[in-house]
Amino acid sequence: DIQMTQSPSTLSASVGDRVTITCRASQSISNLLAWYQQKPGKAPKLLIYKASSLESGVPSRFSGTGSGTEFTLTISSLQPDDFATYYCQQYSDFSPLTFGGGTNVEIK
Amino acid sequence: QLQLQESGPGLVKPSETLSLTCTVSGASISRSSHYWGWIRQPPGKGLEWIGSIYYSGTTYYNPSLKSRVTISLDTSKNQFSLKLRSVTAADTAVYYCVRPGIMATIGYFDFWGQGALVTVSS
Repeated sequence: DIQMTQSPSTLSASVGDRVTITCRASQSISNLLAWYQQKPGKAPKLLIYKASSLESGVPSRFSGTGSGTEFTLTISSLQPDDFATYYCQQYSDFSPLTFGGGTNVEIK
Repeated sequence: QLQLQESGPGLVKPSETLSLTCTVSGASISRSSHYWGWIRQPPGKGLEWIGSIYYSGTTYYNPSLKSRVTISLDTSKNQFSLKLRSVTAADTAVYYCVRPGIMATIGYFDFWGQGALVTVSS
């Protein structure tokens, strides 16, 4: 299995802050990485695919970078609606598809 | 617009079979070159891919669950289903049905159902 490790697991930030979440893969996955946002009691929402492609309708303050084994999700100016849990997911290897453990972005 | 809706028992006894159905609206599962899948999330924990099925019937399963899982299509009802056998408390989770936005790849998931909580308890 390709292990996906996210850091930090919890992040405390204020509205307007620039926030960066890191996701590391245990082996190279090229750019086959997606990011999701999940709010309590809701299904995850796709934010970014192919490491840096913004899903339609997602605000431009979200951006993704990286390739190989190291990836980042950045929120350029944190908004009240952005307090949530974020997950990365690799889709380079279907056996199995794997997710990171999640990063909870909470209000400072 | 594609919509997915999970349904099934919310409580299953240990050692029994968990059965869930995903009803698809806004697309035909038999004429859509997409994979249809299941992901679960234990309470307070992360996401786990269970498996996916192509419109042709080809399946891919998470090796950790493969011996207990079956995903199938019911094209007459435009539904797909999940069966998980010999459940234990560790299978308690919210189960989501999902579909990628792009065709012919399991990939990443644009479309999610609202989720169905299944508790395994006697």
